[in-house]
Amino acid sequence: DAGVIQSPRHEVTEMGQEVTLRCKPISGHDYLFWYRQTMMRGLELLIYFNNNVPIDDSGMPEDRFSAKMPNASFSTLKIQPSEPRDSAVYFCASSSGTRHEQFFGPGTRLTVL
Amino acid sequence: GDSVTQMEGPVTLSEEAFLTINCTYTATGYPSLFWYVQYPGEGLQLLLKATKADDKGSNKGFEATYRKETTSFHLEKGSVQVSDSAVYFCALKDDSWGKLQFGAGTQVVVTP
Repeated sequence: DAGVIQSPRHEVTEMGQEVTLRCKPISGHDYLFWYRQTMMRGLELLIYFNNNVPIDDSGMPEDRFSAKMPNASFSTLKIQPSEPRDSAVYFCASSSGTRHEQFFGPGTRLTVL
Repeated sequence: GDSVTQMEGPVTLSEEAFLTINCTYTATGYPSLFWYVQYPGEGLQLLLKATKADDKGSNKGFEATYRKETTSFHLEKGSVQVSDSAVYFCALKDDSWGKLQFGAGTQVVVTP
């Protein structure tokens, strides 16, 4: 199994631009999670899906952030417009309802100038 | 709500020293407990887990025992190596939900 796949691995953009982060979960997993990691705030859960349906988006910082999961093998996290304070590492993780642990992708390092 | 508290870092040790990272939790149900490790520049990896009271999780020389009476899940390793330098996260999962609750993370630095 290839594990959780995220793209791009690094993204550098200018303030005001739209950013789209992508995630492919492990096949057969029915939960998908988006996290943000910064030095100041640590690891924060932004949103998670169960069977492609958003269950809890209370961690999404503001309306500039949106996430979708159009099918079981793909999810996106979009920031529009981006701001310098959005600079962070964004992780995607997936898990199966029959197991407990989450499997993390390698992350996307976002820098907003 | 559920929460996880772990000791602040950084924890700096010499190679072959004994490592303990304290983790305590609050939960209304009977959660599963986890330790994740994050090596520099990488995502989190599951290190070990325990799903019920008195279970001991172990992996790569690390151990942690689920103590319901003290609501703790302390991580230990008897002899650390430089390659153990990483950030360690304690986490719990309430059986009712897919969501993990993470602690703040503890950075461990092992020097030769």
